[in-house]
Order: sequence, then structure tokens, then C-alpha cells
Amino acid sequence: GNSVTQMEGPVTLSEEAFLTINCTYTATGYPSLFWYVQYPGEGLQLLLKATKADDKGSNKGFEATYRKETTSFHLEKGSVQVSDSAVYFCVLKMANFGNEKLTFGTGTRLTIIP
Amino acid sequence: ETGVTQTPRHLVMGMTNKKSLKCEQHLGHNAMYWYKQSAKKPLELMFVYSLEERVENNSVPSRFSPECPNSSHLFLHLHTLQPEDSALYLCASSQALRGDSPLHFGNGTRLTVT
Repeated sequence: GNSVTQMEGPVTLSEEAFLTINCTYTATGYPSLFWYVQYPGEGLQLLLKATKADDKGSNKGFEATYRKETTSFHLEKGSVQVSDSAVYFCVLKMANFGNEKLTFGTGTRLTIIP
Repeated sequence: ETGVTQTPRHLVMGMTNKKSLKCEQHLGHNAMYWYKQSAKKPLELMFVYSLEERVENNSVPSRFSPECPNSSHLFLHLHTLQPEDSALYLCASSQALRGDSPLHFGNGTRLTVT
């Protein structure tokens, strides 16, 4: 079956540090990949996505590149802010299926300290 | 008001109570979802509705009963719950079940079963 593995948190960084949250996946075909973010007290919201190999998704200073050769979709940001403190979810979706077949990672909690 | 709205935000109920969670979306979406979010576990899809018809039921116990009276409203009726049902219940919607339309989540209902 399909699966998503994220680095375990919590991750604590100082403001302006470089961020990487690792995500690797296992899939029988060619999935689309997403990062969702959940800020404290809120639901999840889409951060970025990539639908095919070598695509780079980006939003709010975050980037992730779809790497087929390493089956990875690591999330990066060059300089984090306190407002980036949240839980980040890596999500996989197979091309021939709908949203009812999304595969979520367990989430990585990120805390940025001033 | 825009987005996905869930009420109540917090709910404490005894094991013999009957209560309902409500979700309303103002986005004109055609698909709606209930998810259960528990600590250190991936998001669990409970129910999916597309054009008001139930699409997926992931072997959810019968003490959870969904209702989708129209494309804008989704309910989760609860009765005789167990303490392990305590969790954050998230409602989401998407433009369609298929395609690349992302999920839009509400802020959730934090349920505590005593």
C-alpha cells in the first residue's frame, strides 16, 4: 500500500534558522504530493504541492521538490519566523483516485523560538 | 462568512449522551469530509460525501452517524461514545472529489468523552 513517513518531531529552532522537514513516500504509481500546515487552534490548510517528478512547490518562503529517484518531498525554508510554529503534514494522493484516498503523514510539530 | 465553520469548538460529553457536531461550508464545494485527529496518529478519514451522497465509510463504529442534508452542511451525530473517541474532529470540503482540488478544513471540534 501507499505510505508517507515524516521525520519525528518536535523540532525546535531559533528564529532565522534554516528548516528542513524530511518526507519520504512509498507508492505503487506516480502520486501528487502536498504539504499541509496546521497552526495552533486551527484546521489544516494547503501550504504547497507538486504533481509530477522534479516539480517544485513553493509558498510563503517554503519550498519542496518532488524527487522520484529518492521518493522524497522534503520541506525547506531558508529563514524561519516565530509565526511558522505549527504542525506540518506531508500528504500523498494517487493520480487515479480522489481525495477519499489521501495518505497523511503523522505530522511534524515545529516550534520557533525568538 | 467564508470558509469552513465547525460548531461547537469544544464539547464534553458523557458516555450515555447524544450530541451532534455541525459543519458548514460557504465555498460552493461539492465534497465534504469528516476526519478524526488523535495525538501521534495520522489523520483518519471517517466519512466522505460527494454531491450529498456518501462515498466512503472506513469501518467507523455505528456510534458515529453522519448526515449531509445538502452540499453546504454536514453533521456528525454521536451517541454512547467511549473515552477513546476523545479527539479533534475536523470537517473539510473540496471543490470536487477528484482532480487536484485541495481540502479546506474547519478549525475542528475538540471532543472529550468522560
